[in-house]
Amino acid sequence: GAGVSQSPRYKVAKRGQDVALRCDPISGHVSLFWYQQALGQGPEFLTYFQNEAQLDKSGLPSDRFFAERPEGSVSTLKIQRTQQEDSAVYLCASRFERDTQYFGPGTRLTVL
Amino acid sequence: GDSVTQMEGPVTLSEEAFLTINCTYTATGYPSLFWYVQYPGEGLQLLLKATKADDKGSNKGFEATYRKETTSFHLEKGSVQVSDSAVYFCALSDLGSGSARQLTFGSGTQLTVLP
Repeated sequence: GAGVSQSPRYKVAKRGQDVALRCDPISGHVSLFWYQQALGQGPEFLTYFQNEAQLDKSGLPSDRFFAERPEGSVSTLKIQRTQQEDSAVYLCASRFERDTQYFGPGTRLTVL
Repeated sequence: GDSVTQMEGPVTLSEEAFLTINCTYTATGYPSLFWYVQYPGEGLQLLLKATKADDKGSNKGFEATYRKETTSFHLEKGSVQVSDSAVYFCALSDLGSGSARQLTFGSGTQLTVLP
């Protein structure tokens, strides 16, 4: 079966632009997570959805970051007015109930 | 809060050498412990896990034992192969963190195995 997919795989944005990153989780997975991975570091938690409900957004670094999952499947992470410090790999993971998290390949965002 | 401290890399070994990557953790609850691996150009993959003290996780020749007394989860492999070259991440998921049970990761250890 298909794994978690993310698009685009690479995104270059000029400082101040808005970007939208997409995640397609594994079909039937209730839980969806977004993580941010800076160069040479481990992933850090951003936000969590259970179906369409965003239950935890404590890791979002600023109010420029916004995530949604309106139908409980595909999720979009939006970053407004991008800054250079937003450059990172953004990882999406999905999970069935309380089982293992399965990760997508990530979107590498570079802000110039 | 929760944290994971991993042995710093990079680590370079010859094929068939013994591998140890150290990992220690701090958690407020009763965490599950994981090792994830990231091969070049690919996403994170679960390598092994352990959910309670003294459990041993194992997969593909890799092993790690959940040691509550030393708060450690060291990764070992008796004989590494070139194909094991990757970045390895230790992580925990804390039952005390609520419904999310998000993962807290270490900073990763780059392993290179030379033929």
